[in-house]
Amino acid sequence: LAKTTQPISMDSYEGQEVNITCSHNNIATNDYITWYQQFPSQGPRFIIQGYKTKVTNEVASLFIPADRKSSTLSLPRVSLSDTAVYYCLVAVYNQGGKLIFGQGTELSVKP
Amino acid sequence: SQTIHQWPATLVQPVGSPLSLECTVEGTSNPNLYWYRQAAGRGLQLLFYSVGIGQISSEVPQNLSASRPQDRQFILSSKKLLLSDSGFYLCAWRITSGGDTGELFFGEGSRLTVL
Repeated sequence: LAKTTQPISMDSYEGQEVNITCSHNNIATNDYITWYQQFPSQGPRFIIQGYKTKVTNEVASLFIPADRKSSTLSLPRVSLSDTAVYYCLVAVYNQGGKLIFGQGTELSVKP
Repeated sequence: SQTIHQWPATLVQPVGSPLSLECTVEGTSNPNLYWYRQAAGRGLQLLFYSVGIGQISSEVPQNLSASRPQDRQFILSSKKLLLSDSGFYLCAWRITSGGDTGELFFGEGSRLTVL
């Protein structure tokens, strides 16, 4: 299983773009990269997922370089409500089994 | 659509008492099921996962156990709780048939306080 490494915490201000990078040096060919957001006392919820290059949805973008050894979650213009813990997770496509989260990045957005 | 339910939402138990947390999934079949624990201010720790009825994999040695008596039911148990069992317990499921990209769907969580 690919182990992931993220910064423990980040600070930002409202309206700024925030980029959170996750390292997964031993990612396998069939692994997908998924990012989750977790608020206190709630379960994590899906933000975005990708395999390579760039993926964009209504809330975020995910950048994955050609070697796929890292990925960057980009939140375009954060607000106070984006204060949360963000996790990246690497998992094998269509094989089920264990899914282990890293320590996550605690993002604090200030006014 | 698929839904996941987890209960009880909150539980306060004395040390040495038993525990039973239940999780059920609706709207899918043969999901992978997971139990995670989150201690205060910490990350998600995988406790158990199951790829099918009666199939349980344990990730961390502890006094907890898990069972999957039915395809969409996952139960976390303990015979005697320890103070260190306090935490936020999360059940999750994952699609395993066509289209599985590893996305997990989480329940609402159960907060356990052991006194």
